[in-house]
Amino acid sequence: AQSVAQPEDQVNVAEGNPLTVKCTYSVSGNPYLFWYVQYPNRGLQFLLKYITGDNLVKGSYGFEAEFNKSQTSFHLKKPSALVSDSALYFCAVRVPGAAGNKLTFGGGTRVLVKP
Amino acid sequence: DAMVIQNPRYQVTQFGKPVTLSCSQTLNHNVMYWYQQKSSQAPKLLFHYYDKDFNNEADTPDNFQSRRPNTSFCFLDIRSPGLGDAAMYLCATNTGKSYEQYFGPGTRLTVT
Repeated sequence: AQSVAQPEDQVNVAEGNPLTVKCTYSVSGNPYLFWYVQYPNRGLQFLLKYITGDNLVKGSYGFEAEFNKSQTSFHLKKPSALVSDSALYFCAVRVPGAAGNKLTFGGGTRVLVKP
Repeated sequence: DAMVIQNPRYQVTQFGKPVTLSCSQTLNHNVMYWYQQKSSQAPKLLFHYYDKDFNNEADTPDNFQSRRPNTSFCFLDIRSPGLGDAAMYLCATNTGKSYEQYFGPGTRLTVT
């Protein structure tokens, strides 16, 4: 069965510093990986995905993620964090072979960017 | 510009009183999902529709039902809400061909 782990419940970073949110996965076959962000009392917003191709994926709001097959990781990064990036971040993997493109989500990482 | 719309955004219901949450989409996507999310935890998939085909997750309680009368609309019915059903309920859509899901803003359900 597929699974996603986000080892950090919370990440604190100063505004302007680099931000990294970690994600590791376990899935049979080729992984389809996603990052979503959730602001308080809102739904999830899609940031970026890795399906195939270049290991470095660029997404919305200046975020990028690096797919590392040997380490089974898909860490989310932003070179210079903003206070407005403070939110809950979820990594997800598509369930292989399931109809309807179902996703399995990690437990989430809360990011707090301090001014 | 709203693409996935959920109504109402906040819903209060009484213990045991049936409640219906609504989701509509302007994306014409084939797939619609309902998730339950508690206390900033990971969203938990309850069921999804691929066109008219209903797919229930194995651990979704019978208390939860869904209807999809047409492509645009999908409803979540909770027949007898318990205190443990208080949560954020998220609707999402997918084209069936690409892989990312598009989420609505959610409905926060309170059970008194």
